[in-house]
Amino acid sequence: ETGVTQSPTHLIKTRGQQVTLRCSSQSGHNTVSWYQQALGQGPQFIFQYYREEENGRGNFPPRFSGLQFPNYSSELNVNALELDDSALYLCASSSSPGGEQFFGPGTRLTVL
Amino acid sequence: DAKTTQPTSMDCAEGRAANLPCNHSTISGNEYVYWYRQIHSQGPQYIIHGLKNNETNEMASLIITEDRKSSTLILPHATLRDTAVYYCIVRVEHSSASKIIFGSGTRLSIRP
Repeated sequence: ETGVTQSPTHLIKTRGQQVTLRCSSQSGHNTVSWYQQALGQGPQFIFQYYREEENGRGNFPPRFSGLQFPNYSSELNVNALELDDSALYLCASSSSPGGEQFFGPGTRLTVL
Repeated sequence: DAKTTQPTSMDCAEGRAANLPCNHSTISGNEYVYWYRQIHSQGPQYIIHGLKNNETNEMASLIITEDRKSSTLILPHATLRDTAVYYCIVRVEHSSASKIIFGSGTRLSIRP
């Protein structure tokens, strides 16, 4: 059984650019949640995908968007990057929307 | 906003029991208490959860007060590898509610 994986590990972008982060869920899981973690703070919920549909969203602007594929892997897209978007982006998979979430190692995004 | 309050930091001697408190005075009857920890530069890791009875697993013990307004996570024999940020969360289990609301957690330092 493989755990949650994320790619890339690190990424550097400049303001105004767009970025796509990827997450492969744990085997048997159909739900993926995305979180943003700024330095020194706890993770903040961005949104969740369940069976390819968005199932709940946190307080993030529309330039944060996502996608889930038939194999339940997921992408997080951020348009028009801002300096404050620099953070660790975590994805977590679960066997149901309210189930126990298993986190990946995260992608560290730096916006210059 | 997080529904829990935790001390910002704590320290403990290696080999001793680490007792991490958490207040959740507004917890609802159907909300569980969950604990996660995050070792530096990794994703959060599930530790334990409970509703009202005390729980124990291979990692830790969870003691919940009778009124459920507070709880304590106990690491019985702390090691240097237990140095991490510990998050206490309240959450409805197996519901359609999707997100985990993290607070700032407790930074636990284990000293040799």
